[in-house]
Amino acid sequence: GQQVMQIPQYQHVQEGEDFTTYCNSSTTLSNIQWYKQRPGGHPVFLIQLVKSGEVKKQKRLTFQFGEAKKNSSLHITATQTTDVGTYFCAPNFNKFYFGSGTKLNVKP
Amino acid sequence: DAGVTQSPTHLIKTRGQQVTLRCSPISGHKSVSWYQQVLGQGPQFIFQYYEKEERGRGNFPDRFSARQFPNYSSELNVNALLLGDSALYLCASTYSGGAPDTQYFGPGTRLTVL
Repeated sequence: GQQVMQIPQYQHVQEGEDFTTYCNSSTTLSNIQWYKQRPGGHPVFLIQLVKSGEVKKQKRLTFQFGEAKKNSSLHITATQTTDVGTYFCAPNFNKFYFGSGTKLNVKP
Repeated sequence: DAGVTQSPTHLIKTRGQQVTLRCSPISGHKSVSWYQQVLGQGPQFIFQYYEKEERGRGNFPDRFSARQFPNYSSELNVNALLLGDSALYLCASTYSGGAPDTQYFGPGTRLTVL
């Protein structure tokens, strides 16, 4: 069956440091979405990646889709306390699926 | 326009009871999906409905059921509640229900089973 691993599970950084979370699949994906969930909140859509090798940027956030479309990453440059939350990848296996998430804590 | 709305926001039940959770999608969206999110884990897919028909079902027991109404709102029913059913239940709406569609989540219903 399809397997997706999201790493790391937790990440604690000092404000201003960079952060990266990775989503790795055992099978090729048609597309992948990323969501952010603030503590006590609900998931909020960030981005969707479709093309092999695609790179998209949103201010300090950079999203990448691997050439083989089996992995993806989210990189945050110079983290801020507002970046605190859990980041989920949602790979498309022709059904809705969410990774286990990476919980980011940013110390001021 | 209002986003996805869910009711109630919090609910406390005892084992063996039944519960009904409600969701109204974004205006114009025809598909609703239900997720269960246990503390510290990612959302787990329960059901998807599109145009009042079940389009997908996750790995949940038959105690879980759902339906979608002509106005595209939806209900999730859980019978014979177990302690392990305690979770945040999220509803997400999409326009057409295709997996590449952006999902817009409601605030969730926090269910506690005692």
